[in-house]
Amino acid sequence: ILNVEQSPQSLHVQEGDSTNFTCSFPSSNFYALHWYRWETAKSPEALFVMTLNGDEKKKGRISATLNTKEGYSYLYIKGSQPEDSATYLCAFKDFNKFYFGSGTKLNVKP
Amino acid sequence: DGGITQSPKYLFRKEGQNVTLSCEQNLNHDAMYWYRQDPGQGLRLIYYSQIVNDFQKGDIAEGYSVSREKKESFPLTVTSAQKNPTAFYLCASSIDSRLSTDTQYFGPGTRLTVL
Repeated sequence: ILNVEQSPQSLHVQEGDSTNFTCSFPSSNFYALHWYRWETAKSPEALFVMTLNGDEKKKGRISATLNTKEGYSYLYIKGSQPEDSATYLCAFKDFNKFYFGSGTKLNVKP
Repeated sequence: DGGITQSPKYLFRKEGQNVTLSCEQNLNHDAMYWYRQDPGQGLRLIYYSQIVNDFQKGDIAEGYSVSREKKESFPLTVTSAQKNPTAFYLCASSIDSRLSTDTQYFGPGTRLTVL
């Protein structure tokens, strides 16, 4: 079983703050790293798929970077809004299976 | 509407009873997955199926069984051998599990409580 760790476990920020969180994964035999967003009472939804060292992805105010050599990915949210409140999951893809971290729960206060 | 459905949303069972959780998708995806979530933990893979009539054990398969007789359906049976079955169960599907870019689509989940 591969170990995927996310930090922090939870985060409380004010509207307008920028924030970031980390996903750590095994640096050997990298295949892909996926980020998902999971809002309360909804299903997890895909945010980014990252496959190459140095990958940077962006969707609106949310962006992600990838360092496969050291085994980490950062997710950044610029100017957080209350609608960004959710749990953000990262998942390390090992060929045909995913290993999920326990998530970072973000709460953005108006 | 294309998507994944899981039923029921909440399920209560007595200890020692087998229970089957339903998962159906109309996305024409080849791969399907079952995950379990416990408080403070990430999603853990129970079983997955890359194609109809084929499935493999995940990391925590003991006490569970599945079938994949149709592309659209991947039911999960929680047997009495599962020592701690109370949990939130999520089903997912994807186009082709062998692709690095293959994204999973999740159902709404079933919360199982064993009394």
